[in-house]
Amino acid sequence: QKEVEQNSGPLSVPEGAIASLNCTYSDRGSQSFFWYRQYSGKSPELIMFIYSNGDKEDGRFTAQLNKASQYVSLLIRDSQPSDSATYLCAVTAYGGSQGNLIFGKGTKLSVKP
Amino acid sequence: GAVVSQHPSRVICKSGTSVKIECRSLDFQATTMFWYRQFPKQSLMLMATSNEGSKATYEQGVEKDKFLINHASLTLSTLTVTSAHPEDSSFYICSATDATNEKLFFGSGTQLSVL
Repeated sequence: QKEVEQNSGPLSVPEGAIASLNCTYSDRGSQSFFWYRQYSGKSPELIMFIYSNGDKEDGRFTAQLNKASQYVSLLIRDSQPSDSATYLCAVTAYGGSQGNLIFGKGTKLSVKP
Repeated sequence: GAVVSQHPSRVICKSGTSVKIECRSLDFQATTMFWYRQFPKQSLMLMATSNEGSKATYEQGVEKDKFLINHASLTLSTLTVTSAHPEDSSFYICSATDATNEKLFFGSGTQLSVL
């Protein structure tokens, strides 16, 4: 069974620090990788997506992908209290459409002022 | 950016009743819509995929006769939870992609509580 694993946390970091969120996936054929942010009681919102090995940066966010290790991470620089949320890692199954995402359970991030 | 509207945001109903949830794409034509369910502290689980004008494809373990999905137009999909029971209480979220299938847009979610 295809799985996406995340540490549930909570991960607590002080304001201004770097938050590092990690995710591993079981399907070696997965092709697309996504990070979503979800506030309590709200639907997920897309933060970043990455398709190729290496790093992808967008503002304070950097996604890192290592397909050989089946590992994807999200770094948040200069963390702010407003970044406090649950971060969901999601991957597409091999041959699957973007809608057919497999989600991890999420890591709860808490940024302390 | 593209907007997906989901209604209602919260519904409380009695056991045995049916509940309809609507999902609309407001500024694009959603060729494919998806329905997820999320229990507390759990991940989103895909329930079904629907394409306009055709029958929905349900994931393993999801009862198609209990969770009725209708995707009658390119901007509207509905999920009806029939004969709801307390174990159906969950957060239901729809999402949609446009023809490019490059991005997935989520609705705001519906918190269903069955008493």
